[in-house]
Amino acid sequence: DVKVTQSSRYLVKRTGEKVFLECVQDMDHENMFWYRQDPGLGLRLIYFSYDVKMKEKGDIPEGYSVSREKKERFSLILESASTNQTSMYLCASSLVQSTNYGYTFGSGTRLTVV
Amino acid sequence: QQQVKQSPQSLIVQKGGISIINCAYENTAFDYFPWYQQFPGKGPALLIAIRPDVSEKKEGRFTISFNKSAKQFSLHIMDSQPGDSATYFCAARRNYKLSFGAGTTVTVRA
Repeated sequence: DVKVTQSSRYLVKRTGEKVFLECVQDMDHENMFWYRQDPGLGLRLIYFSYDVKMKEKGDIPEGYSVSREKKERFSLILESASTNQTSMYLCASSLVQSTNYGYTFGSGTRLTVV
Repeated sequence: QQQVKQSPQSLIVQKGGISIINCAYENTAFDYFPWYQQFPGKGPALLIAIRPDVSEKKEGRFTISFNKSAKQFSLHIMDSQPGDSATYFCAARRNYKLSFGAGTTVTVRA
């Protein structure tokens, strides 16, 4: 079964820490995405990568960076975690050419910054 | 700013009833409109999707109605079942990126 795997289900970090969220997909998808999900706001795009070492800012990139050194792995980095970054983080991937262009999501990482 | 506006925020329906969720958008460059279903503790999963040159798409008990001139689309869940209780997100795609609505929590009472 194809999947997107996020390395941690729950994380608790302290304010000011550098935080790494890891995502791996086994579907050979070109596109990978990081979203954050907050109640009443839905899913908001943080960063998007369409190829290895390529990245594009989404709607809310401030305070985040990303790394994609291999096609299957996309990392989200919180340079200095703040309490307003407490959220559910979802990774997704998709094919560039697809009959339905759907995303496959991971199960999410719930990050709490204290 | 939310590029896709979704309503209602939540709804409760009796088993066997119809659930209707509405979405609206402004950007006419969107070229694909999927709906995602999310259960607690899981990531969203693609449920059904439509292109803007089609007015309706049906898959089992789920139907998307699309009104291009009004820039609105909706999800109808017919014969709602307790297993349909979930959060539903509409979305719109431009340049491979999806913009999501705020989500609707659907509760189906047995």
